[in-house]
Amino acid sequence: GAVVSQHPSRVICKSGTSVKIECRSLDFQATTMFWYRQFPKQSLMLMATSNEGSKATYEQGVEKDKFLINHASLTLSTLTVTSAHPEDSSFYICSARDHLTGFETDTQYFGPGTRLTVL
Amino acid sequence: KNQVEQSPQSLIILEGKNCTLQCNYTVSPFSNLRWYKQDTGRGPVSLTIMTFSENTKSNGRYTATLDADTKQSSLHITASQLSDSASYICVVSTGANNLFFGTGTRLTVIP
Repeated sequence: GAVVSQHPSRVICKSGTSVKIECRSLDFQATTMFWYRQFPKQSLMLMATSNEGSKATYEQGVEKDKFLINHASLTLSTLTVTSAHPEDSSFYICSARDHLTGFETDTQYFGPGTRLTVL
Repeated sequence: KNQVEQSPQSLIILEGKNCTLQCNYTVSPFSNLRWYKQDTGRGPVSLTIMTFSENTKSNGRYTATLDADTKQSSLHITASQLSDSASYICVVSTGANNLFFGTGTRLTVIP
């Protein structure tokens, strides 16, 4: 089955630093990847949609200058949390849509998530 | 407003027992409904997907039902195991990967 990986799985950083999270589709190509944030006991909230080779589309209320998204290849998207603060502490999950079948099957494959803790 | 509501919020059952989780939605237009299992600290994993014309779909001990008229779905877990302890999320799609997530039901299976 389709596998999506994320790295790192957890990261702890100091307030004011930047953190980069990678999302990779391991056995398929993904023209579109999605970034979600999940706070404790809450469901996933879509942050942005990332399309390979173009600018990401951000959901309302998500600061594009704070959450930088780069989707430079069909298998890799990165999310950089710039000048992180404690309120950015959360569980960040990416998903990827198979470029060949994903649109028709309306299927996203989720990564295992990255736990970010900002001190 | 497109919403997905799940009940109960949390549930504790004894190992070996059955349980049923509920999902009500107001999402429109409707493309499909999926149930995901999310272990703590992990990403969601798809259990079932149902389109408008499907009433039931099984995946091992998991059976999902869908009533598109009343906009309700359920996930029935049979003969629960300790490894079933997780959050179960109902996700409704309008198509083109436009997803609406429920807040999930936290299931705890105790020995």
